[in-house]
Amino acid sequence: KAGVTQTPRYLIKTRGQQVTLSCSPISGHRSVSWYQQTPGQGLQFLFEYFSETQRNKGNFPGRFSGRQFSNSRSEMNVSTLELGDSALYLCASSLERVTYNEQFFGPGTRLTVL
Amino acid sequence: GENVEQHPSTLSVQEGDSAVIKCTYSDSASNYFPWYKQELGKGPQLIIDIRSNVGEKKDQRIAVTLNKTAKHFSLHITETQPEDSAVYFCAANAGGTSYGKLTFGQGTILTVHP
Repeated sequence: KAGVTQTPRYLIKTRGQQVTLSCSPISGHRSVSWYQQTPGQGLQFLFEYFSETQRNKGNFPGRFSGRQFSNSRSEMNVSTLELGDSALYLCASSLERVTYNEQFFGPGTRLTVL
Repeated sequence: GENVEQHPSTLSVQEGDSAVIKCTYSDSASNYFPWYKQELGKGPQLIIDIRSNVGEKKDQRIAVTLNKTAKHFSLHITETQPEDSAVYFCAANAGGTSYGKLTFGQGTILTVHP
């Protein structure tokens, strides 16, 4: 089975711009979670989507948003970029169990904000 | 919310030695504890996980133990090899219906010297 794919792998933007990142989950997985990874804050949960609905949300400002399509592919959008948004953005595709999810990560999108 | 503490932040061992990484969590409702290995330029890779109804799980050279009463879990790597060098993260899911959300420890940089 193909793994989680994320596009693009690298992105450079300037402050004030907006960006859209894409994630294709493992075939058959219906849940997708997004995380931000920075050296200072580590891995932080952004949000989770399941069957095109946001199921959980982390403590990030409203500039961070996402959506999921009927084929389970997901996108996240960051508007009005700030320097502090520079990070590795990771998507995780989840195999749903009864009371927990096994999460498999993609390679990430490295976003640099200048 | 859930808080996960991980120690040590760096660990240096000789090839063939054992390595132990420890984590504590705060939410007694957490029921799933995965461990991830992240190599440079890659996304985190799930290497082993444990559920709250199990005290220990082993997979070849890797084992994880869980003490629910004390709210801590540990990763044990035996007969370490240079290719085990990476950053290791522990995580815990959120309780209730938020089990798709993982809270991560700050990571341990493991270096195995040949």
